[in-house]
Amino acid sequence: AQTVTQSQPEMSVQEAETVTLSCTYDTSENNYYLFWYKQPPSRQMILVIRQEAYKQQNATENRFSVNFQKAAKSFSLKISDSQLGDTAMYFCAFMIGATNKLIFGTGTLLAVQP
Amino acid sequence: NAGVTQTPKFQVLKTGQSMTLQCAQDMNHEYMSWYRQDPGMGLRLIHYSVGAGITDQGEVPNGYNVSRSTTEDFPLRLLSAAPSQTSVYFCASSKARDRENEQFFGPGTRLTVL
Repeated sequence: AQTVTQSQPEMSVQEAETVTLSCTYDTSENNYYLFWYKQPPSRQMILVIRQEAYKQQNATENRFSVNFQKAAKSFSLKISDSQLGDTAMYFCAFMIGATNKLIFGTGTLLAVQP
Repeated sequence: NAGVTQTPKFQVLKTGQSMTLQCAQDMNHEYMSWYRQDPGMGLRLIHYSVGAGITDQGEVPNGYNVSRSTTEDFPLRLLSAAPSQTSVYFCASSKARDRENEQFFGPGTRLTVL
């Protein structure tokens, strides 16, 4: 069975600083996708970034980037130049192939301090 | 496009009552899913559908029924509500055979069972 582990229940960062959220996963599959979702207080689930397992290059989206270590089954999210609007719960998620079924971690609550 | 819509936004039930959570999407997506979000547990898949007339169980299906008579709608039925079903419910949809594998989430329904 696939599992996703987020070992940091809560984190805090100063505005304009950089923060890294950790995620590890366990699978025997070779074809899979990894995602980071953001859930602000509005409760809406927002896709932040995705990574295809077959791609060695780490995905980036503006201030958000990932460090994908396939052998270590690690998928961390780096947020640069943190902004107050980044305050949210962040979920790491895993999907096998094109099943469109997501397996989520338990989330990391990030607070950006002014 | 309205995207993924869910009704109601909030609901309080008494133990043993039945109700249906509505989900609709106007993006002509083949895949639709229901997740529940509980504190400290992330989101877990309840049921999913790969197209009209086809449904299957996810990780936590007990106590829930679904049907998919049209591409647009995917209602979730609680036949006899229990306090353990107190949760926030999210509906999601995605396009089949989409290289991006992006799932679009509705705004969620907060359900309390007394």
